[in-house]
Amino acid sequence: AQSVAQPEDQVNVAEGNPLTVKCTYSVSGNPYLFWYVQYPNRGLQFLLKYITGDNLVKGSYGFEAEFNKSQTSFHLKKPSALVSDSALYFCADYRPQENTPLVFGKGTRLSVIA
Amino acid sequence: GAGVSQSPSNKVTEKGKDVELRCDPISGHTALYWYRQSLGQGLEFLIYFQGNSAPDKSGLPSDRFSAERTGGSVSTLTIQRTQQEDSAVYLCASSLVGAGGPPLGELFFGEGSRLTVL
Repeated sequence: AQSVAQPEDQVNVAEGNPLTVKCTYSVSGNPYLFWYVQYPNRGLQFLLKYITGDNLVKGSYGFEAEFNKSQTSFHLKKPSALVSDSALYFCADYRPQENTPLVFGKGTRLSVIA
Repeated sequence: GAGVSQSPSNKVTEKGKDVELRCDPISGHTALYWYRQSLGQGLEFLIYFQGNSAPDKSGLPSDRFSAERTGGSVSTLTIQRTQQEDSAVYLCASSLVGAGGPPLGELFFGEGSRLTVL
């Protein structure tokens, strides 16, 4: 079964600086990859997804992610961080051809400091 | 409703008691998922319902856990003889199904039911 690794439990970045939250997936093939965000005391919200096509996908709130098949990575990025971006971010891997549920990483807590 | 609705939002119970958590998915979403979120453990898959197919129960941690989905809509997750390690936030999500059958992948989550077992 597929698995997802988010190597950083915590990422700290200054407001206005670029941010990166890392994600790698473990099984080769054709994954559907997702990023979700969880703001304090709220449910998870979809940010963006990669299914096929352009390796750079753009999502909500100015976030983007780049699918890199050779590195099996799908890092989340934003050119200029906002304090309001502080939240818990989850990467997820989905294989519809296997009819298995989304597998989530353990999450990365992003803190943007003013 | 407009989104996935879960109840109760908070539940405190004593060890050994049974609890029921309810999920009301978005109307028209035939796929429904339960996940558990524990501190430092990320999101743990529990069970998945898709239309009239047999549910995927592969994530249920023990036979104390069960879930049902009535009429293809509302789902109830039941935990019998609760233990302290069951304390977590239980998240429900629903999604649309694509033309090919499997869910499209984008999940819509409820705000969760926080369970505390004393």
